[in-house]
Amino acid sequence: DSGVTQTPKHLITATGQRVTLRCSPRSGDLSVYWYQQSLDQGLQFLIQYYNGEERAKGNILERFSAQQFPDLHSELNLSSLELGDSALYFCASSVSGTGDYGYTFGSGTRLTVV
Amino acid sequence: DAKTTQPNSMESNEEEPVHLPCNHSTISGTDYIHWYRQLPSQGPEYVIHGLTSNVNNRMASLAIAEDRKSSTLILHRATLRDAAVYYCILFNTGGFKTIFGAGTRLFVKA
Repeated sequence: DSGVTQTPKHLITATGQRVTLRCSPRSGDLSVYWYQQSLDQGLQFLIQYYNGEERAKGNILERFSAQQFPDLHSELNLSSLELGDSALYFCASSVSGTGDYGYTFGSGTRLTVV
Repeated sequence: DAKTTQPNSMESNEEEPVHLPCNHSTISGTDYIHWYRQLPSQGPEYVIHGLTSNVNNRMASLAIAEDRKSSTLILHRATLRDAAVYYCILFNTGGFKTIFGAGTRLFVKA
């Protein structure tokens, strides 16, 4: 157990639907990151939050959104799902979010869009 | 954004040292160099990170070139459990983005 909790572990849904992925960071970590890993594209950075505020955006689609709540857990919302959104979604957390500490990754949510 | 370049795969014998290279010629002065590894169906696992000086921890050593344009992850004695994909990434402190390269798949032979 890495200390970063992601739920659900698996999710199967139909095209056009909306889902929410949840991440609880390791205790004491203020920064949360979301990544997408698909077979043909490796790990892609989506978005980062620090202490409730959005800090950086990567290749995140407009259909996707995220937020970090006062208790520091984060949710990634994916809407109007397409087949190509099927992937592993990882959440990671770190203390500062400035690279001077390592990240801790969760075990991921496997999303399958049918 | 700065990018990293790693060999697609490497092979090692068990109990021998392994040197995994990474080129990051466009690194900027404040970018941290991080290494992670990923086993099948698992999330990436932190290995080591550094800024300018060489670093050691219980898992590995990180050797950073003087000009910071390359680095090498050193596993001192490879075991079968070290077989994984190793990612060298730069933490861009300016934009707070993280850039993952394609990684090096390490095969360890018994």
